[in-house]
Amino acid sequence: TQLLEQSPQFLSIQEGENLTVYCNSSSVFSSLQWYRQEPGEGPVLLVTVVTGGEVKKLKRLTFQFGDARKDSSLHITAAQPGDTGLYLCAGIPTTDSWGKLQFGAGTQVVVTP
Amino acid sequence: DAGITQSPRHKVTETGTPVTLRCHQTENHRYMYWYRQDPGHGLRLIHYSYGVKDTDKGEVSDGYSVSRSKTEDFLLTLESATSSQTSVYFCAISVGGSNQPQHFGDGTRLSIL
Repeated sequence: TQLLEQSPQFLSIQEGENLTVYCNSSSVFSSLQWYRQEPGEGPVLLVTVVTGGEVKKLKRLTFQFGDARKDSSLHITAAQPGDTGLYLCAGIPTTDSWGKLQFGAGTQVVVTP
Repeated sequence: DAGITQSPRHKVTETGTPVTLRCHQTENHRYMYWYRQDPGHGLRLIHYSYGVKDTDKGEVSDGYSVSRSKTEDFLLTLESATSSQTSVYFCAISVGGSNQPQHFGDGTRLSIL
């Protein structure tokens, strides 16, 4: 059982549409990270959120950390084909003093022209 | 670029043979990790290291061993490969501390027939 549940597992949209990916847990996290991974490559860090209620923006991407630090969302506005990829959330549970990351299973996003 | 190189990038081998994967970093970071990535599971931690000769098990360590005799190299060994170990393996480092975001290599695709 994954500590972090991502939804949806797969998302296919047209260029210009908006999308939201969710990352949920029953555990509390000291921080949560979002990565994007393209075929044949390793995940690349997009953002880290550490404060409950925090909102961070990266161009057309908006990341939010839940008030209770148990969930997060990634919203993409006016998606472009270059946004295609596997989006992974990962977090460090507050119960882990060493700081090992727990990953969600990922959301595959496909943006077609 | 975090200067992480994984080798080999692809390998096909037979059940029962030993396999060693190498992760090399150029920046002398203390913390290094080995993950496997399988569909529907995201990334799962196999082993991690917090210094030369200091290693510990992750959540899926059975059938794997690691060694770190130099800061820059972290080796993952499958003593007797099984088909269930067919996967994509990623090495990662964290910069500045175990609870910091991680930077990943480009992975090794391992097929065990």
